Amino acid sequence: IQLTQSPSSLSASVGDRVTITCRASQGISSYLAWYQQKPGKAPKLLIYAASTLQSGVPSRFSGSGSGTDFTLTISSLQPEDFATYYCQQLNSYPRTFGQGTKVEIK
Amino acid sequence: QVQLVESGGGLVKPGGSLRLSCAASGFTFSDYYMSWIRQAPGKGLEWVSYISSSSSYTNYADSVKGRFTISRDNAKNSLYLQMNSLRAEDTAVYYCARGGELPLLDWGQGTLVTVSS
Repeated sequence: IQLTQSPSSLSASVGDRVTITCRASQGISSYLAWYQQKPGKAPKLLIYAASTLQSGVPSRFSGSGSGTDFTLTISSLQPEDFATYYCQQLNSYPRTFGQGTKVEIK
Repeated sequence: QVQLVESGGGLVKPGGSLRLSCAASGFTFSDYYMSWIRQAPGKGLEWVSYISSSSSYTNYADSVKGRFTISRDNAKNSLYLQMNSLRAEDTAVYYCARGGELPLLDWGQGTLVTVSS
């Protein structure tokens, strides 16, 4: 299963609402997770089952979607949110990742 | 708290072998599937392999199938990745992670493997 994220990168300001899309090449129900990775660091789980917030993750992060189309939304971008975001499908093996979306400071 | 510490990375020649280890603590290791994920320099994440809690099930990415072997020792709270017939394209930071069937709940800091002559 291929995952295509869009956009590949974006520039945004603190306080902006940001939306990242992940499209699967075939239906994966709600078996999708989102991760955040900062430079030089390991990825961190943000959301699983498409819309369930991992414990400790700020509520400004939200996820939605099912089937083939999914979104990650940051309601009000904070300085610590500038990072690269990846989706991963958990429907079948291999457990593929999207190519990533880099969120940069405008 | 959960800790995953990878080791065993380094410089190896094409065709060579390397064994990565991941020491786990802060959770009941034998209850969880475990996975390896890699990231080539400046590139995205690539899932490599997973192993079930009792080692009954394993799965591999096509890019490493037949060359890499995942294993675990629940008595030692340790995960391993034996990498044979290494190629330049295997150069990456290798992360171990808690999870496999589940989302990847926790990740180690990674260990760098460089394949070069």
